[in-house]
Parts: sequence; C-alpha cells; structure tokens
Amino acid sequence: SSELTQDPAVSVALGQTVRITCQGDSLRSYYASWYQQKPGQAPVLVIYGKNNRPSGIPDRFSGSSSGNTASLTITGAQAEDEADYYCNSRDSSGNQLGVFGGGTKLTVL
Amino acid sequence: EVQLVESGGGLVKPGGSLRLSCAASGFTFSNAWMSWVRQAPGKGLEWVGRIKSKTDGGTTDYAAPVKGRFTISRDDSKNTLYLQMNSLKTEDTAVYYCTTEGFMGYSSSWYGYWGQGTLVTVSS
Repeated sequence: SSELTQDPAVSVALGQTVRITCQGDSLRSYYASWYQQKPGQAPVLVIYGKNNRPSGIPDRFSGSSSGNTASLTITGAQAEDEADYYCNSRDSSGNQLGVFGGGTKLTVL
Repeated sequence: EVQLVESGGGLVKPGGSLRLSCAASGFTFSNAWMSWVRQAPGKGLEWVGRIKSKTDGGTTDYAAPVKGRFTISRDDSKNTLYLQMNSLKTEDTAVYYCTTEGFMGYSSSWYGYWGQGTLVTVSS
C-alpha cells in the first residue's frame, strides 16, 4: 500500500478548474512533486518544490501544500490535460526513500 | 538535450537475473543522483531505488520489495546507470524507467528527466 493517498479518478469540464490532492504524513515536512502520464508515454514532471514548473509546462498548472495534503491545481483545464497524475515524496520513515501516490485519472469532459 | 535510453529488458523466468542499462547524455552524469522507477502493466508508478553521485558518497537506497535482490550501480566514465536484478519474481514484471533525481536540501526532491522505459517480463 502507498504512503501517499490520491483519489483514483477526477473529472472536470473543459475550461474549468480542478484540484487533485495527495495525502500523507511525510507531506507535513516534505514538498510533493507531480507527474503527468499519458497512455503509452513516460511520466513528465509538472510541479516540484513549493510551486515550481519545469520549462515548457503551462502556467495553468500550480502546486500548493497544507498540513498533510499536497494539491495540484489545473486552472482552465484543456483536453490535452486528460491523463494520469501521480504525486511523489519521500517516505515518512526518515530514510529518504521515494514513494508515489496511487495516481489520479483525470477526465476532461 | 538530456537523453536517457534504457536497454536490457526482456523475458526471464522466475528466479532468474537480468541487468538493465541506462545510457545518459546531455548533462553531467557524474554529478547526478539517479533513480529507477517501475510501472507494472495497468498499475501506478513505484520507486525502486537510487544511487547518489560519488561526490555525495555514491551510496544506494532501495524500496523494501527489491532490497537484497536488486543492485544499482553506475559507471561515470561511460555515463551509464545499471540495475542488476536477481531472484526475479512474477511481481517484478513492469516497465522500468531510469530518471534523474533533483533535490533541494531536505525539503523536496523530484524526477526531472525520464527515459522511455524498458519492459521486463518475469514468467515461466
């Protein structure tokens, strides 16, 4: 079982705002990173650190954190944002091991 | 342009061994922390392990399901990362990705660049 918990599926109307959440004890002291994965493709980093976007990631993607919950927000979702989204952090044991959430399937209606 | 190209995947019987390679280019490989992440068919991402740069000790860390069976190593002269997998189990069947691991102190880490992945199938 994953130490990071995500909702399995979320949907959003085209052009609307959607928040994808990730919960875990380690998030109280560690920022999450977020990855987008489309079918048959490798994951792509979309958010890291407090709220940083790699070059080429649209500014409609943003990240935030509160307590044990990290969030990925897509403001004005586009059809091409339909994908699986995974959060990642370090585990809560203090051993600096990596851990991924179970993933959220985002459907853009 | 950063490129990570995995190779070495294939079909292997339970209990067998396989070595994956990841050829890196476009960045200073010797300075990079590198990780392996896998994805079983139809499932989510699973962190496998990492190797730090030699300047940071070159040490390795592994996820519990693979600890003691898998070994990560690197050859900085060849810009290549390796994953030696022994005592393979059917549940190790997955696409294996190599990634670069960035970090900011002890507050955050991320996997910035990914290879295309190589499929390992463990089956009799």
